[in-house]
Amino acid sequence: SQQGEEDPQALSIQEGENATMNCSYKTSINNLQWYRQNSGRGLVHLILIRSNEREKHSGRLRVTLDTSKKSSSLLITASRAADTASYFCATPSRQGGSEKLVFGKGTKLTVNP
Amino acid sequence: GAGVSQTPSNKVTEKGKYVELRCDPISGHTALYWYRQSLGQGPEFLIYFQGTGAADDSGLPNDRFFAVRPEGSVSTLKIQRTERGDSAVYLCASSLYSDSNTIYFGEGSWLTVV
Repeated sequence: SQQGEEDPQALSIQEGENATMNCSYKTSINNLQWYRQNSGRGLVHLILIRSNEREKHSGRLRVTLDTSKKSSSLLITASRAADTASYFCATPSRQGGSEKLVFGKGTKLTVNP
Repeated sequence: GAGVSQTPSNKVTEKGKYVELRCDPISGHTALYWYRQSLGQGPEFLIYFQGTGAADDSGLPNDRFFAVRPEGSVSTLKIQRTERGDSAVYLCASSLYSDSNTIYFGEGSWLTVV
């Protein structure tokens, strides 16, 4: 089963605008990660935020984490056409006897030139 | 190579056939994961290896799916008697340790069962 759920499922914006994607999860976590995927191929790790952190920045990316609401957001500022991709949040899960990442369904972002 | 390598990139097979998908993880990475991703969905966990042993195969959908990692490096995902519902991208990932912090994905193998 999938732990995280992203919202919205799809987002279309103009170049230069900011894009905000949200993720909700169900169980307690020690970290939450965001990944990017181009055209249904390999995922690329973007950023990891730990449970004791509230906000983290990396270039044009800003991630927040609210453990009381079990939610996270990914903000991409000054978006570019090259940011067009699907974005997934992922959280560690211990179901099945090992800790592995469980992914949400993703937000498909389209940045129009 | 520097990244996780998966072969083949694309595979079309007939229903009922057997397929093997190969993953070559980043050198030195002890943890290896297989995920499956259907269209419009996120990656779903299949199996995890720590070294040579399958530490967690709870995500394998049924006994037609099997994976090995005999020498603790390259892994092969094997699917017997393929069904059309097996069509998906099969993603392999590796990490240095098994603590789930930052795993590195390959480009995936796109399997189409016709």
